[in-house]
Amino acid sequence: DADVTQTPRNRITKTGKRIMLECSQTKGHDRMYWYRQDPGLGLRLIYYSFDVKDINKGEISDGYSVSRQAQAKFSLSLESAIPNQTALYFCATWTGVGGYTFGSGTRLTVV
Amino acid sequence: GIQVEQSPPDLILQEGANSTLRCNFSDSVNNLQWFHQNPWGQLINLFYIPSGTKQNGRLSATTVATERYSLLYISSSQTTDSGVYFCAVDRNFNKFYFGSGTKLNVKP
Repeated sequence: DADVTQTPRNRITKTGKRIMLECSQTKGHDRMYWYRQDPGLGLRLIYYSFDVKDINKGEISDGYSVSRQAQAKFSLSLESAIPNQTALYFCATWTGVGGYTFGSGTRLTVV
Repeated sequence: GIQVEQSPPDLILQEGANSTLRCNFSDSVNNLQWFHQNPWGQLINLFYIPSGTKQNGRLSATTVATERYSLLYISSSQTTDSGVYFCAVDRNFNKFYFGSGTKLNVKP
């Protein structure tokens, strides 16, 4: 099983819809992150969490919200999706000695 | 924030050739990683290398933290090495700064 699992893998949604992307991890790491990747670019940080009660905004948090339901689960929500939120979304954990581990990504298309 | 510059932006190799990818960063860091993004979009962690040298098969990496750069070496390249290679750095374990990547195309 993957250390970091993201669902769904692909999603097409309509403008204005609320959508949730889910992330779960199996290693008990405290720190979890949501990143966004646009075509041809590196990843940019949306939100990060150091534990269940510690949620922090990243550089591009506008239009997004998160929930850390448990140590193992960190969800990203788009309250009202817009086309420029079409991107590849990654969840990650900080493992300590091994650095960051990323999930397989969620490809989101907003039409 | 920390600026991360990767070079070259694009690289075309014949299978079997060797290559060196470079990552320069603008400030001191506590963490540096190299990733390979495959054609399916998955990010594969290649090296966690804030300093020193590591090797894994045909790949090796060196980070000279005092001079703020890291190098990724690919020897005897294979078509499966194609994809985008990202360098990412972090100072306080709360934000990863990514470079724009090197797009590698290995031709048979």
